[in-house]
Amino acid sequence: DAGVIQSPRHEVTEMGQEVTLRCKPISGHDYLFWYRQTMMRGLELLIYFNNNVPIDDSGMPEDRFSAKMPNASFSTLKIQPSEPRDSAVYFCASSLSGDRQPQHFGDGTRLSIL
Amino acid sequence: AQTVTQSQPEMSVQEAETVTLSCTYDTSENNYYLFWYKQPPSRQMILVIRQEAYKQQNATENRFSVNFQKAAKSFSLKISDSQLGDTAMYFCAFMIGQGAQKLVFGQGTRLTINP
Repeated sequence: DAGVIQSPRHEVTEMGQEVTLRCKPISGHDYLFWYRQTMMRGLELLIYFNNNVPIDDSGMPEDRFSAKMPNASFSTLKIQPSEPRDSAVYFCASSLSGDRQPQHFGDGTRLSIL
Repeated sequence: AQTVTQSQPEMSVQEAETVTLSCTYDTSENNYYLFWYKQPPSRQMILVIRQEAYKQQNATENRFSVNFQKAAKSFSLKISDSQLGDTAMYFCAFMIGQGAQKLVFGQGTRLTINP
């Protein structure tokens, strides 16, 4: 079975540019999560969706960040304009609903803002 | 708010030894779930083991087992007969039950298995 698929795997761009990260969850999973991982702050939950609807975006750092899930098989995380402090590894994860269901992670996108 | 603490930033053992990684958490909830995830240098996040708080029996998965002490809010991971492929960052994570679905992660422990 295909796991969570993220693209691109690496992204290097200049400050001020728009960055779009993409995620395809596991088919049949109805929860989707976006995380950011940095050395200083560890793994932080940015936002999560249930059945394509955003449930909790309290972890989104500021208005420069936005996330969408137009359908059950695709989500984007957009940063506009990007800043050097946004450099991190961004993970997407998905899960089934119900207690004890583990989250399955993609391979992450390493984002570097110069 | 729930917090997860991993007090060992780094650990190192010889191959074939047994190693225990510590994790404590703080919550007022009674229904919750605990997980250990592994992140090797390849960067993937891989589920190692999970434990339901209402179960007294400790979870085991092959060489991996947990020591769940609910009263002490402790959830340690034991790796037996450690292998070079176990070298990774290990993250303890907490999830409230009742469909909340949100994971709270600890800061991680970097484990190195030496040949």
